[in-house]
Amino acid sequence: ETGVTQSPTHLIKTRGQQVTLRCSSQSGHNTVSWYQQALGQGPQFIFQYYREEENGRGNFPPRFSGLQFPNYSSELNVNALELDDSALYLCASIIAGYPLDTQYFGPGTRLTVL
Amino acid sequence: GNSVTQMEGPVTLSEEAFLTINCTYTATGYPSLFWYVQYPGEGLQLLLKATKADDKGSNKGFEATYRKETTSFHLEKGSVQVSDSAVYFCALSEGNDMRFGAGTRLTVKP
Repeated sequence: ETGVTQSPTHLIKTRGQQVTLRCSSQSGHNTVSWYQQALGQGPQFIFQYYREEENGRGNFPPRFSGLQFPNYSSELNVNALELDDSALYLCASIIAGYPLDTQYFGPGTRLTVL
Repeated sequence: GNSVTQMEGPVTLSEEAFLTINCTYTATGYPSLFWYVQYPGEGLQLLLKATKADDKGSNKGFEATYRKETTSFHLEKGSVQVSDSAVYFCALSEGNDMRFGAGTRLTVKP
């Protein structure tokens, strides 16, 4: 049990739609990162939020966006869904300044785009 | 850029067999190295880590040694159990950037 929860567990959308995925971090963890894990691949860094501002971004287009809230929850929004967006989306929370290996991962949301 | 390459799976072993999962990395600086484990329906969990050359990380009977000369961080366990069945990811980090390998699925049969 990592103290990080994600919702929903599974989601099915069609191409062109928009989706919002949610993450609830551990209390006190003021930094959250989102990762995309395609089937059979390792997680790829999408972006990180610290104090409600984007604090680093991987190689993902602007249609991937996020929000972070003061209550340690956050959202990942994806617009204009494409088939290749089908993946497991993981969030991970950490206290800013702590080593990356102290981040806690949620169980993920599996998104299927048809 | 930084990257991690790990042994392709799946790997199937009998209980009490010896496990090795190979991992090599490419990095411009001096990264920290990690092994993560992912059980079905759960998030990634840190298994062990090493932060500098020749460090050995260990946990739950698993070990890995940071070898700078061969840019490797192979995961080993002397005697696997059925409960070790999971997907294992090798990863490296420099600063805020963490890169993962593709993962190796391990199945241990009784």
